[in-house]
Amino acid sequence: GAVVSQHPSWVICKSGTSVKIECRSLDFQATTMFWYRQFPKQSLMLMATSNEGSKATYEQGVEKDKFLINHASLTLSTLTVTSAHPEDSSFYICSARDLSRAPRETQYFGPGTRLLVL
Amino acid sequence: TQLLEQSPQFLSIQEGENLTVYCNSSSVFSSLQWYRQEPGEGPVLLVTVVTGGEVKKLKRLTFQFGDARKDSSLHITAAQPGDTGLYLCAGTHGSSNTGKLIFGQGTTLQVKP
Repeated sequence: GAVVSQHPSWVICKSGTSVKIECRSLDFQATTMFWYRQFPKQSLMLMATSNEGSKATYEQGVEKDKFLINHASLTLSTLTVTSAHPEDSSFYICSARDLSRAPRETQYFGPGTRLLVL
Repeated sequence: TQLLEQSPQFLSIQEGENLTVYCNSSSVFSSLQWYRQEPGEGPVLLVTVVTGGEVKKLKRLTFQFGDARKDSSLHITAAQPGDTGLYLCAGTHGSSNTGKLIFGQGTTLQVKP
């Protein structure tokens, strides 16, 4: 149980284009999902908290117009990297909490999406 | 600033050796989670601890949450090459209702056969 999927697993795009990444909770509903970015050999950096039916909460230093988040249903959150540039190349990971499962604080992570901007 | 200091950051050992990874903070955490991550994949949950003094075992892995809920440790007995990976500790604060995780810096473990 508590499975989170991401699509695509990897994407290569040209500079200036937009890329959408999907995060789905497969066997539970998630009112809140989290988006992270990870650089090689480093820990995870929280970018934003995605809230179903309302605006996302962005961490300090994360451009909300650059990284658009939509959480339209209880099982799907999307992250769109707009006008991507090479410096946006990274590993993007989402997570979700299953509030029906104890401990409620536990976050379950997706497999990640590798983005390469040429 | 709510920090979680994880140490060591890198560890290279021989198969069969024991090791301990530490996560320390000056803040109290309502829960602490340990994850293992392999290259190109998302973190996989190992355990969540919520009670001060709690000890949980997962085969050769032993997790401990400090009495004051400010620190935690992961001990691996007789490490195997399959244990190689990035180990991450992450905590939540009871005062925060956001559910956000505070991550440690991670420990890269290499177990040589």
